[in-house]
Amino acid sequence: SAVISQKPSRDICQRGTSLTIQCQVDSQVTMMFWYRQQPGQSLTLIATANQGSEATYESGFVIDKFPISRPNLTFSTLTVSNMSPEDSSIYLCSVATGTGGDIQYFGAGTRLSVL
Amino acid sequence: AQRVTQPEKLLSVFKGAPVELKCNYSYSGSPELFWYVQYSRQRLQLLLRHISRESIKGFTADLNKGETSFHLKKPFAQEEDSAMYYCALSPLSGNTPLVFGKGTRLSVIA
Repeated sequence: SAVISQKPSRDICQRGTSLTIQCQVDSQVTMMFWYRQQPGQSLTLIATANQGSEATYESGFVIDKFPISRPNLTFSTLTVSNMSPEDSSIYLCSVATGTGGDIQYFGAGTRLSVL
Repeated sequence: AQRVTQPEKLLSVFKGAPVELKCNYSYSGSPELFWYVQYSRQRLQLLLRHISRESIKGFTADLNKGETSFHLKKPFAQEEDSAMYYCALSPLSGNTPLVFGKGTRLSVIA
């Protein structure tokens, strides 16, 4: 299994500002993902964070809005840029060891409110 | 295309009644299927996976390749089972994220 620490757990931000969310794993993992989840709703994959290369974004998500870093096999950050109230959501980090059919583990999430 | 369908957004049952949360999938190869659960104010966690063929908290799920289904069942629902349940699919090859269904909220009424 993998233990994931995600920071901050929640934040309230002003419109137009940016917030960087950190994800730290207690072991080296091949794959790290970032999801968005509206309260009580399903998960939407934002991007796959690739170590040593640019993240792979899903349709509807762009690097300028959600820049991602993955400097090593245990750490990643997601930045929500130029925030608007529509960005209010829960952001989740998830990891997997990378073999096909592998279990994904999830962080506790960052609850973001944009005023 | 890979797709997971959970037709029920909300399922309400009485305590002690049987529960079945439906999940159908679309995938051309051999997938690995999972059920994840999210209790109130807790992180999303794995409940069970079809390869393990185990029962967790009284829940079981059988993969039916003919019907492309992976329904989650429990013979007697408990109040503590109330949560959001997500069915997910992963190809057995390649480094790709899980494909999640939209989830079913189970409410067990005392």
